[in-house]
Amino acid sequence: DTAVSQTPKYLVTQMGNDKSIKCEQNLGHDTMYWYKQDSKKFLKIMFSYNNKELIINETVPNRFSPKSPDKAHLNLHINSLELGDSAVYFCASSPADWRAKNIQYFGAGTRLSVL
Amino acid sequence: AQKVTQAQTEISVVEKEDVTLDCVYETRDTTYYLFWYKQPPSGELVFLIRRNSFDEQNEISGRYSWNFQKSTSSFNFTITASQVVDSAVYFCALSDTDKLIFGTGTRLQVFP
Repeated sequence: DTAVSQTPKYLVTQMGNDKSIKCEQNLGHDTMYWYKQDSKKFLKIMFSYNNKELIINETVPNRFSPKSPDKAHLNLHINSLELGDSAVYFCASSPADWRAKNIQYFGAGTRLSVL
Repeated sequence: AQKVTQAQTEISVVEKEDVTLDCVYETRDTTYYLFWYKQPPSGELVFLIRRNSFDEQNEISGRYSWNFQKSTSSFNFTITASQVVDSAVYFCALSDTDKLIFGTGTRLQVFP
């Protein structure tokens, strides 16, 4: 009954490979996000989707491509992985209800290690 | 530009001590939201509280309390009678619309 679930939890891969991280939320939320947490624990927004539409796209290399097949899913595909992509990637979601809007609920994170 | 500053990188206390985590923010918006999240050693991010810019009432939830002061642009978090389970990295964050701007976090270590 996990609210925001990400798979895989750990991902170890070689430089140059392409990989995907999946995220699903069962909270009925309209907005989903991807954040990146670097080795110094700094958290930064990457993308945000509202009802399958991209609404936030921070300065992220175009090797990163989010895809939202429906409002409960937001996947992150990364092409040509680089050493600097090693980080923990968090998925989050938030409701449209104005009383709870802006409260983002996070998944457990995916730790990506690029060798 | 929006910014959140958590000047305390790391705090160590002994169990049962009270501890305050500082958060100072910058924004030009008149409507905004402030948050605290906890990241325990297991790594997940746990939502603790949200405050909107029009509500300066302090809040208490068990051993946790928050002090929001617009005059000093601060939103500090106090843990009373700290416990070992409080050991975590705590993040303060700011939001105007949809994205969260996080501070760099404060690592709290509570020793038995």
